[in-house]
Amino acid sequence: AQSVTQPDIHITVSEGASLELRCNYSYGATPYLFWYVQSPGQGLQLLLKYFSGDTLVQGIKGFEAEFKRSQSSFNLRKPSVHWSDAAEYFCAVEYGNKLVFGAGTILRVKS
Amino acid sequence: KAGVTQTPRYLIKTRGQQVTLSCSPISGHRSVSWYQQTPGQGLQFLFEYFSETQRNKGNFPGRFSGRQFSNSRSEMNVSTLELGDSALYLCASSLGQPNRYEQYFGPGTRLTVT
Repeated sequence: AQSVTQPDIHITVSEGASLELRCNYSYGATPYLFWYVQSPGQGLQLLLKYFSGDTLVQGIKGFEAEFKRSQSSFNLRKPSVHWSDAAEYFCAVEYGNKLVFGAGTILRVKS
Repeated sequence: KAGVTQTPRYLIKTRGQQVTLSCSPISGHRSVSWYQQTPGQGLQFLFEYFSETQRNKGNFPGRFSGRQFSNSRSEMNVSTLELGDSALYLCASSLGQPNRYEQYFGPGTRLTVT
């Protein structure tokens, strides 16, 4: 079955440390890929998107993501995490004319 | 530009009642999608409207319905509420074409069914 997998339910990093959140999908073709962030009690904010072209995409708030076709992955990275980055992060893939979301990864930032 | 707005933000209803949620998209956006978010099932697609027509529908029972008006504003309705309908309902808008899937979300409506 087609799916989007975020293997890590929770991740804790120290402020200033680097971050990588993993996302894998199981669709055959190269889909449209997205990362969203959700703060408690809020809606989702679009961080970045990949449609085609350069496989390394830059987003807002210093985030970037790399599409790797061979690994069916679209991992989110940030070189230096700030306390305000603590939130839940969702990977999403377009499939069947709709967005399919992963289960999310909760990021905790320790000072 | 103002973002996506959803009203009301919070709602408490009793089992068996019906509820209507409203969504106003970003100005110029013609596509509106609705999602249900619960701790157990995560984010699930309900339906998408474009130019007042339902363009896609998720796997939800017929108690869930929606519509879109000529100004692109959208409403979703849930009839005969069940306890399991308690969730955060998110609305998202997009230009429709070509960036149909570049969606911008509202803050959501928190529905509690008692």
